[in-house]
Amino acid sequence: TQLLEQSPQFLSIQEGENLTVYCNSSSVFSSLQWYRQEPGEGPVLLVTVVTGGEVKKLKRLTFQFGDARKDSSLHITAAQPGDTGLYLCVAGTASKLTFGTGTRLQVTL
Amino acid sequence: DTAVSQTPKYLVTQMGNDKSIKCEQNLGHDTMYWYKQDSKKFLKIMFSYNNKELIINETVPNRFSPKSPDKAHLNLHINSLELGDSAVYFCASSQRGYYGYTFGSGTRLTVV
Repeated sequence: TQLLEQSPQFLSIQEGENLTVYCNSSSVFSSLQWYRQEPGEGPVLLVTVVTGGEVKKLKRLTFQFGDARKDSSLHITAAQPGDTGLYLCVAGTASKLTFGTGTRLQVTL
Repeated sequence: DTAVSQTPKYLVTQMGNDKSIKCEQNLGHDTMYWYKQDSKKFLKIMFSYNNKELIINETVPNRFSPKSPDKAHLNLHINSLELGDSAVYFCASSQRGYYGYTFGSGTRLTVV
């Protein structure tokens, strides 16, 4: 099974700090998605990127797809407690997804 | 309105029992999936159905059998449950040709 490596695995920061989560693979993907999963719930889609070098913004979240379409990053500005959760990068085709190893983010007051 | 709903939310059962998890989606999607999330939170696909037809069947024990009576439902039946089957199982749906999956809230299965 292909794996997407995410780093860091765990991140505990205080409210107001900035952070970046990375998602890396040796393979080239046609698309990459980011999901956030809260305890007791399923993953929720945040964004999909499909073009190498693409940058998308969702309020305080900035997503970037690497030029070679092998990696991606998620940057959160001024983190809030509501950002707490498990962040998953997911890549593949419309018929099959490969999930990243996950980054668990804890934002405290 | 719940887009992808799974039942039950929690399932505790003894080894050797047979159990089923149900999933329904009201999004009109044509593809449904079952994923297993282990204790390390890694999600792995088990099955995928497109319009009631099995299109992905990853290496899972044949004790696991999916059933899709129509494209809005995908149930998972597990025979002879084992301790190692304990995990959270997620149902998901998508529309072929569009990126993005909608997940249910999961079923936490505990085998004792």
